[in-house]
Amino acid sequence: NAGVTQTPKFRVLKTGQSMTLLCAQDMNHEYMYWYRQDPGMGLRLIHYSVGEGTTAKGEVPDGYNVSRLKKQNFLLGLESAAPSQTSVYFCASSYSGQTNQPQHFGDGTRLSIL
Amino acid sequence: EDQVTQSPEALRLQEGESSSLNCSYTVSGLRGLFWYRQDPGKGPEFLFTLYSAGEEKEKERLKATLTKKESFLHITAPKPEDSATYLCYPYNFNKFYFGSGTKLNVKP
Repeated sequence: NAGVTQTPKFRVLKTGQSMTLLCAQDMNHEYMYWYRQDPGMGLRLIHYSVGEGTTAKGEVPDGYNVSRLKKQNFLLGLESAAPSQTSVYFCASSYSGQTNQPQHFGDGTRLSIL
Repeated sequence: EDQVTQSPEALRLQEGESSSLNCSYTVSGLRGLFWYRQDPGKGPEFLFTLYSAGEEKEKERLKATLTKKESFLHITAPKPEDSATYLCYPYNFNKFYFGSGTKLNVKP
């Protein structure tokens, strides 16, 4: 049982380049989330999805776009990478959107923007 | 303003030396709190959910407790494999509030 899988695990980009991070879950969860984790800070929500074909903005959505074309996949895109987007990105999923449901996290993508 | 503070930021223990980690919060309409463990290079791993003041949960050497204003994660006779960052996430009806974690290092 893989749970939540993120690809790639590491990536280095130059400023202005674009890329897409992929998240896949095999738990049939409805809700999926993208977070960023920076040193000394808690997780911050970028975007989330309440189901296939739907997305919504979180706390820090600027500079990112997302898509959820299939229930099991949630993509995070950076159109024009900036050094401020250097971070570790985590994808998570949960059975429902109720806050009493614990989220299941992937192992992260470590992204450096030069 | 709703906020979460975890203390200490880092804790170094000798193997077998028990201690406690603190998560204090001001969250309106608190419904519960999660504790997670995060190993280096990994994502957070779910440990406990606590729903009401006075509740306790245990798992191996860990025991989590909850009051109206704070939660404690007690670690009894820790082992080196307990070294990790421990994260608390109180939540209300609308959202989670993510603490920045306590990094625990247990030396043999």
